[in-house]
Amino acid sequence: GENVGLHLPTLSVQEGDNSIINCAYSNSASDYFIWYKQESGKGPQFIIDIRSNMDKRQGQRVTVLLNKTVKHLSLQIAATQPGDSAVYFCGERAAGNKLTFGGGTRVLVKP
Amino acid sequence: DVKVTQSSRYLVKRTGEKVFLECVQDMDHENMFWYRQDPGLGLRLIYFSYDVKMKEKGDIPEGYSVSREKKERFSLILESASTNQTSMYLCASSSTGINVLTFGAGSRLTVL
Repeated sequence: GENVGLHLPTLSVQEGDNSIINCAYSNSASDYFIWYKQESGKGPQFIIDIRSNMDKRQGQRVTVLLNKTVKHLSLQIAATQPGDSAVYFCGERAAGNKLTFGGGTRVLVKP
Repeated sequence: DVKVTQSSRYLVKRTGEKVFLECVQDMDHENMFWYRQDPGLGLRLIYFSYDVKMKEKGDIPEGYSVSREKKERFSLILESASTNQTSMYLCASSSTGINVLTFGAGSRLTVL
């Protein structure tokens, strides 16, 4: 996953535009991936997940894309709304039932 | 509608104190986890448990211990708190065979 030290990368998006949040995962043996959203002062909330035998999965306004060749995961949010402002982070499962997580990306939605 | 409850949202402790962080889930989940969250470093797994009285070390167990005496409760213990344990601590649970973790709201610990 990502490790950007003490600073979160930030994505500024205009309200109504689509957002794309990227995540590079580390283990080619990972068979399951997940995205969480964390609003300020709250615990992470599950958004969407995908298994390694899939390339794409869609939810309500969100799509997760998986590119195993380059070990890349992305989360697309359609028609971004102010309520989408949060930190988003990806997780991967490589062994057992343990999930490991990236450092996260902060999304700021501009009105 | 709260599923995973962490008893303390904010704690301030002094170096050397013993700290207990409590977590209770009401979903009858078998698996419970403790993570710490630091800016830019993501969530790092401290300890987890697949069953009552069972525990397994995560990626950063040093300086921590855990207790799981009942299925619904998973406690994180800092035997002698140090300033580098100042962090946000997140508890999570999941059902066996289900990958999605349900997280609590977090406990922000400051060690002076």
